[in-house]
Amino acid sequence: AQSVAQPEDQVNVAEGNPLTVKCTYSVSGNPYLFWYVQYPNRGLQFLLKYITGDNLVKGSYGFEAEFNKSQTSFHLKKPSALVSDSALYFCAVRVNTGFQKLVFGTGTRLLVSP
Amino acid sequence: EAGVAQSPRYKIIEKRQSVAFWCNPISGHATLYWYQQILGQGPKLLIQFQNNGVVDDSQLPKDRFSAERLKGVDSTLKIQPAKLEDSAVYLCASSFSESGNTIYFGEGSWLTVV
Repeated sequence: AQSVAQPEDQVNVAEGNPLTVKCTYSVSGNPYLFWYVQYPNRGLQFLLKYITGDNLVKGSYGFEAEFNKSQTSFHLKKPSALVSDSALYFCAVRVNTGFQKLVFGTGTRLLVSP
Repeated sequence: EAGVAQSPRYKIIEKRQSVAFWCNPISGHATLYWYQQILGQGPKLLIQFQNNGVVDDSQLPKDRFSAERLKGVDSTLKIQPAKLEDSAVYLCASSFSESGNTIYFGEGSWLTVV
């Protein structure tokens, strides 16, 4: 089955430090990968996506993600974390079962401390 | 441009009662999705429409859930009768087409069944 895995339930980082939120995928063929963020009592906001091309994808709010085919990973990164980055982050993969849809990971809670 | 609109934002009902959620997608988006997000889990696709036709409802509990998109624009998701385990956030999303485009989410409708 095509899926993504987020191995960490929570990531803690101090403000100003770099952050990484991990995601690995299991997909046959070329993956279309996405990151979304969910703030408390809000819907999902699109951050960035990888379709093809450059392995380093830049997105909203200073986030970027690195696609690594050999490690089947698509980790989300930011050079300097802000307290306001504290939220729930979801990795997702577009799967094709006749019609294309997004399948989400279980989410990683990011907590940035002042 | 206006985002995906959902209402109501919050709803509390007793088990065995019914509830309906409304969604208006981004203008021009042909594909509309309803996702269910249970606390602590990633969103799960319930149903996907392409214009006014259903293309995937494999995970919709059809004995109690129904959805329609009669004119190919806005959509309604209904639950009748509700169970305690239906307590979740119901996320509506849309994309320009079902192939390769970014999916944009609404703020969600938060349902508590007591």
